[in-house]
Amino acid sequence: AQTVTQSQPEMSVQEAETVTLSCTYDTSESDYYLFWYKQPPSRQMILVIRQEAYKQQNATENRFSVNFQKAAKSFSLKISDSQLGDAAMYFCAYRSYLQGAQKLVFGQGTRLTINP
Amino acid sequence: NAGVTQTPKFRILKIGQSMTLQCAQDMNHNYMYWYRQDPGMGLKLIYYSVGAGITDKGEVPNGYNVSRSTTEDFPLRLELAAPSQTSVYFCASSQRSSGGGELFFGEGSRLTVL
Repeated sequence: AQTVTQSQPEMSVQEAETVTLSCTYDTSESDYYLFWYKQPPSRQMILVIRQEAYKQQNATENRFSVNFQKAAKSFSLKISDSQLGDAAMYFCAYRSYLQGAQKLVFGQGTRLTINP
Repeated sequence: NAGVTQTPKFRILKIGQSMTLQCAQDMNHNYMYWYRQDPGMGLKLIYYSVGAGITDKGEVPNGYNVSRSTTEDFPLRLELAAPSQTSVYFCASSQRSSGGGELFFGEGSRLTVL
């Protein structure tokens, strides 16, 4: 079974600075998807960014980018120019490429605090 | 623009009581899921469904039941509530896709069992 590990329970960053959240995963599959979800205090789960394992290019969405290292099974999230609205729990998630339900396996989460 | 709607948002149960968490989506998604989130933890899959009439167990199904009689609705039944079921419950849905389909989540239902 796949597992996802986020080794940083909490992180903090100054507003406008850059922060990187770490995620590692374990799988025997060669094709899969990886996601970062944001959960603000409202509890709503919001998709931040996704990465297909067969793509070598790292995904980017505005101020959010990933560093995907397939051989190392590492998938970190970089947030540039941090804003107060970025404060939230961030979850890394894995999804098998195999056909069927798109079940996600989540990490434990990292709580990100933005200091003004 | 409803998306995924869960009710109730909050509920307190006594040990041994039963209840149903309701989930409805209006996006005509094939797949629906129930996750639970314990304090300080990630989400764990309880049950999922790939279409009306088809359900399957996830990682932590014990103590729960589901049904999927329509595409829109996916209720989660708790029988004989236990303190270990105190958690936040999320319903989600997604469209059948060969790609990295996005899951759309409800706002969660906080359940406390005393």
